[in-house]
Amino acid sequence: DQQVKQNSPSLSVQEGRISILNCDYTNSMFDYFLWYKKYPAEGPTFLISISSIKDKNEDGRFTVFLNKSAKHLSLHIVPSQPGDSAVYFCAASARNTGTASKLTFGTGTRLQVTL
Amino acid sequence: DVKVTQSSRYLVKRTGEKVFLECVQDMDHENMFWYRQDPGLGLRLIYFSYDVKMKEKGDIPEGYSVSREKKERFSLILESASTNQTSMYLCASRQTGYEQYFGPGTRLTVT
Repeated sequence: DQQVKQNSPSLSVQEGRISILNCDYTNSMFDYFLWYKKYPAEGPTFLISISSIKDKNEDGRFTVFLNKSAKHLSLHIVPSQPGDSAVYFCAASARNTGTASKLTFGTGTRLQVTL
Repeated sequence: DVKVTQSSRYLVKRTGEKVFLECVQDMDHENMFWYRQDPGLGLRLIYFSYDVKMKEKGDIPEGYSVSREKKERFSLILESASTNQTSMYLCASRQTGYEQYFGPGTRLTVT
């Protein structure tokens, strides 16, 4: 049962345009969401996060939007750059579900930014 | 900067062998995690540890065990490797908050 879903396995965007990566979740207990970026042969690196008390968080070219009623979040990258080409994972956590605040990851979306 | 290191980047083992994957973090983090990453399946949690000698099963613990004898080191053990354990293995650590810091991964091939 996939509690965090990234329905687009891949996305291609031209340099300078906006990239929009989507993520849906089913567990209403999730209250914190993160995006990670992964290059081939490297571990994922943290990109940006959002708490369920907010609907938007911005960090430079990266903005995450959260729609709790739809159980949907999205990552916007503006403008997209060739160095943004990577696999992006959405992750979610539910507070107070036990030790260590586990993260549940989506299946990932491969973004390719073309020249 | 947090540093998480994994003992091998690439590993090739034969079916039935016992395999040890080592992970070390240098930030005195309480929590450590082992994931595997497979195409189309994302990252799936195998085991995690919230303290020395403490461990909890993740979502796919079958065929794996772990050991945490020291705070900085978390080992993943494949008791008898099988071909369906061919995967990318990622270790992560975390202190407070939600953000986890990942190592570079070990690409394990079981033949």
